[in-house]
Amino acid sequence: GQNIDQPTEMTATEGAIVQINCTYQTSGFNGLFWYQQHAGEAPTFLSYNVLDGLEEKGRFSSFLSRSKGYSYLLLKELQMKDSASYLCAVRDSNYQLIWGAGTKLIIKP
Amino acid sequence: DARVTQTPRDKVTEMGQEVTMRCQPILGHNTVFWYRQTMMQGLELLAYFRNRAPLDDSGMPKDRFSAEMPDATLATLKIQPSEPRDSAVYFCASGLVRTGGYEQYFGPGTRLTVT
Repeated sequence: GQNIDQPTEMTATEGAIVQINCTYQTSGFNGLFWYQQHAGEAPTFLSYNVLDGLEEKGRFSSFLSRSKGYSYLLLKELQMKDSASYLCAVRDSNYQLIWGAGTKLIIKP
Repeated sequence: DARVTQTPRDKVTEMGQEVTMRCQPILGHNTVFWYRQTMMQGLELLAYFRNRAPLDDSGMPKDRFSAEMPDATLATLKIQPSEPRDSAVYFCASGLVRTGGYEQYFGPGTRLTVT
């Protein structure tokens, strides 16, 4: 079966760094996405990885290891507005997105 | 600033009633997705279309749900008859399939409550 695992909830302090992990087992791999979803809003695209390594985009970075079926999203210089759910999604061999349940990130002052 | 639009934003209806949700994808996008999100299940793919043709609707209860794209600017999701367990937020997303992949752009969602 297809499976994506990520922690249910994480707490971090404003100004700090947090790493949200995602492991996956899917039938084929055609890229991994991270989305951010604030409460009551729609998911918005954050990053896309298809090759191994680190993709940096401002305060956010995403890492992928295809051999390990593993990715992480790194958020630096945390701000209160970063409090949201972070969804990991993998595109399988049929180009369908398989979604994780999301990680709720709580930022404390 | 191109966006996916959805109507209605909120819908409260009684069990047994028909519900129709509409989505206008971003102009030029050739793929449209319908998702349902609940606290318990997270994001579930219900159906998706490419170039208006349905490619997969295996996530959708066939006896009561139907999804169509009458034209490139409109996608619809219909529930008939609705049941309380259908209460959820329904998202439409669109994307443009091209070499190297694509991301999905989500609409604001329709919050459905069936009493």
